Amino acid sequence: AQSVAQPEDQVNVAEGNPLTVKCTYSVSGNPYLFWYVQYPNRGLQFLLKYITGDNLVKGSYGFEAEFNKSQTSFHLKKPSALVSDSALYFCAVRDWGGYNKLIFGAGTRLAVHP
Amino acid sequence: EAGVAQSPRYKIIEKRQSVAFWCNPISGHATLYWYQQILGQGPKLLIQFQNNGVVDDSQLPKDRFSAERLKGVDSTLKIQPAKLEDSAVYLCASSLGGTYKWYGYTFGSGTRLTVV
Repeated sequence: AQSVAQPEDQVNVAEGNPLTVKCTYSVSGNPYLFWYVQYPNRGLQFLLKYITGDNLVKGSYGFEAEFNKSQTSFHLKKPSALVSDSALYFCAVRDWGGYNKLIFGAGTRLAVHP
Repeated sequence: EAGVAQSPRYKIIEKRQSVAFWCNPISGHATLYWYQQILGQGPKLLIQFQNNGVVDDSQLPKDRFSAERLKGVDSTLKIQPAKLEDSAVYLCASSLGGTYKWYGYTFGSGTRLTVV
């Protein structure tokens, strides 16, 4: 069965510092991995995806993610955090046991302090 | 391209009442999903449609939840009767079809349901 784990409930970082939000996955089949962000009272917005190719994936708003097959990880990163990056971040993996379906992690709340 | 539209944005009802949510997906998106997001948790799939047929409803509490997608476009999700534990954000998403060129969903803004 496919699954995603986000080990941190909350990540705190100072504005201007680099940030990392962690995600590990378990999948039977090729890993299709996604990151979504949710701002208060909003739906989930797509940030980036890994399907195949380069292990470093660049996405929206200056975010990037590094795919590591040996560690089964897909960590979200940004070189310099902004206060406006404060939000809830979800990692997701394609469920090959279903049809075009994603399984989501529990989410990590990112708090960027001025 | 217009996004996924959902209404209402917020709804407060008393337990044992009924409620319905509406979703209009992106034009041309064959697959439509309803997710339930309880506070502090990740989204959980309730039901998935491919055109107007149900693909997966294994997590739908069928004694109280129902959903339909008429003509393969708009969809409604209904809860009757509601329980306190149904308080959550109900997210609708849609995606194009295809298996090997499938790149994820687009979500609507969600409906926040509070059952009191």
